[in-house]
Amino acid sequence: SAVISQKPSRDICQRGTSLTIQCQVDSQVTMMFWYRQQPGQSLTLIATANQGSEATYESGFVIDKFPISRPNLTFSTLTVSNMSPEDSSIYLCSAPRGGTYSTDTQYFGPGTRLTVL
Amino acid sequence: GDSVTQMEGPVTLSEEAFLTINCTYTATGYPSLFWYVQYPGEGLQLLLKATKADDKGSNKGFEATYRKETTSFHLEKGSVQVSDSAVYFCALSYNQGGKLIFGQGTELSVKP
Repeated sequence: SAVISQKPSRDICQRGTSLTIQCQVDSQVTMMFWYRQQPGQSLTLIATANQGSEATYESGFVIDKFPISRPNLTFSTLTVSNMSPEDSSIYLCSAPRGGTYSTDTQYFGPGTRLTVL
Repeated sequence: GDSVTQMEGPVTLSEEAFLTINCTYTATGYPSLFWYVQYPGEGLQLLLKATKADDKGSNKGFEATYRKETTSFHLEKGSVQVSDSAVYFCALSYNQGGKLIFGQGTELSVKP
């Protein structure tokens, strides 16, 4: 099964700054996903990141606030821009197991716990 | 739109008790259904899945059956252990490798 790592695992940031979160998958995958888990809440999809094209954002999320890069089939970054305390959450990336065009089940990275002061 | 609703937590049980966590869904098509688990301080892990009506997913003593007629995917375990204490998320997806729609999560606490 795919191993997914994220960096950093946690960070404490000042409001108005930006943080870039990295996600690395140990096999090539077409789609990667970024989710947000606000304190005590469920997971909400931010965007789908396809290699070679612009990310597709869900309702309520915009590229200016959450720019995403997907430079190759094993890596993606999510930037949380101009942060406010409301952005304090766990950010998780996920990808399907099984290779580039797999439609197998999604596996998740360990998450990045972000606190904005 | 599509959605997933879980029973509210927290659920507190004694060790060896029977567990049911209810999950119902609203879907325009025929999704795959999943249960994910998040142990304290850890990431989200797939617990089990079912891809079509009447399928039963099972893992680590947990089971859930995809009931199309009641649009449900209730999670059950016959005898819980303290180590089962975690938050459980029900989710659906129209493509196993595609985006997931999660329920709100149910926290389970098992006491010795």
